[in-house]
Amino acid sequence: DAKTTQPNSMESNEEEPVHLPCNHSTISGTDYIHWYRQLPSQGPEYVIHGLTSNVNNRMASLAIAEDRKSSTLILHRATLRDAAVYYCILLIQGAQKLVFGQGTRLTINP
Amino acid sequence: GAGVSQSPSNKVTEKGKDVELRCDPISGHTALYWYRQSLGQGLEFLIYFQGNSAPDKSGLPSDRFSAERTGGSVSTLTIQRTQQEDSAVYLCASSYSGTYTEAFFGQGTRLTVV
Repeated sequence: DAKTTQPNSMESNEEEPVHLPCNHSTISGTDYIHWYRQLPSQGPEYVIHGLTSNVNNRMASLAIAEDRKSSTLILHRATLRDAAVYYCILLIQGAQKLVFGQGTRLTINP
Repeated sequence: GAGVSQSPSNKVTEKGKDVELRCDPISGHTALYWYRQSLGQGLEFLIYFQGNSAPDKSGLPSDRFSAERTGGSVSTLTIQRTQQEDSAVYLCASSYSGTYTEAFFGQGTRLTVV
């Protein structure tokens, strides 16, 4: 599976935007970029995914670099409930499993 | 039910005993995954089922671990002769058609081997 690199931890303040980076320099043209998050004591939950174009949904936005070697998950206005571990995952077209790395632990300060 | 259901939610077993963990995926979901998460660690992929295809067992850590999925729905993960290092939260997920669609996770089964 193609590898992703994320910072171990990040910290932000409530009601401010948060930009979570992910590097994936070995990405190929058919790899999808998926983001999941895991709140404390819960199973992971899907956040967003994309291929080439930037994507928006009710939870977040995904900004994908033009060369696709990096992407950024954007939480527009963080709340305390957004404190979680965020995982950036690459899926090869036709791949059969989600492989999680260590992710970024996001702390939100009140 | 509306989501992925796992049972039991907690299981304490003695070393050497066999355990069975159950996963009820969301109705209509053809893909089903098992992961485990040791305390403070990331998610470790165990096995993947997709429709009638042969499962991807590449993540099973030893031959003490096995899983089956009956009728394309309910799945059971079996751990034989449990060891203390098997203690972890075992998570099940399902999705409609594989990894291009959103995977929904259950709350997990916390297994403690004493």
